[in-house]
Amino acid sequence: EPEVTQTPSHQVTQMGQEVILRCVPISNHLYFYWYRQILGQKVEFLVSFYNNEISEKSEIFDDQFSVERPDGSNFTLKIRSTKLEDSAMYFCASSGTWEQYFGPGTRLTVT
Amino acid sequence: AQSVTQPDIHITVSEGASLELRCNYSYGATPYLFWYVQSPGQGLQLLLKYFSGDTLVQGIKGFEAEFKRSQSSFNLRKPSVHWSDAAEYFCAVGARGGADGLTFGKGTHLIIQP
Repeated sequence: EPEVTQTPSHQVTQMGQEVILRCVPISNHLYFYWYRQILGQKVEFLVSFYNNEISEKSEIFDDQFSVERPDGSNFTLKIRSTKLEDSAMYFCASSGTWEQYFGPGTRLTVT
Repeated sequence: AQSVTQPDIHITVSEGASLELRCNYSYGATPYLFWYVQSPGQGLQLLLKYFSGDTLVQGIKGFEAEFKRSQSSFNLRKPSVHWSDAAEYFCAVGARGGADGLTFGKGTHLIIQP
């Protein structure tokens, strides 16, 4: 069964550094998303991406964040200058129509 | 703005007993509703979804959910729980599928007693 994959599973970075989180969505899906889950809190939507551009973004997704689909398979989330409060689990998801399928997540720890 | 409320933070159920997890949503138009399950250290797995039609929907692992528009609810049920059902359960609402992000509830942590 096709699935969304994410790398790395765990990323540790220092405050102020840039990180890139990578995702490989399900191959025939058209919509791609990033969500985050701060420890002990609910899953929060960050951004959706369709037809090579951002379709919707939340107020969390400010100028320090960017997304890209650099090739036909990868979908990336870049955090330009990480802050302590960016520590969270980041989930990628993809969908063909209505159902969103989530990857296993990348745990980002900012020290 | 859309929102999802899961009033129970923790629920403890004996193995073999029935289960109902509550979910209430607030949304102005026809909601698209989902239940996801998250096992420790894992991602989110889709259990079931409601878009339209029959208000009782069946999902994987023996779960079902009933959409009640009059109560703005989408409660998850299972007639007999197994120890492997212990996990975090999230209800979510989406606007129109496609590019719209999902709004999640805070989750219900299910504990199974032997």
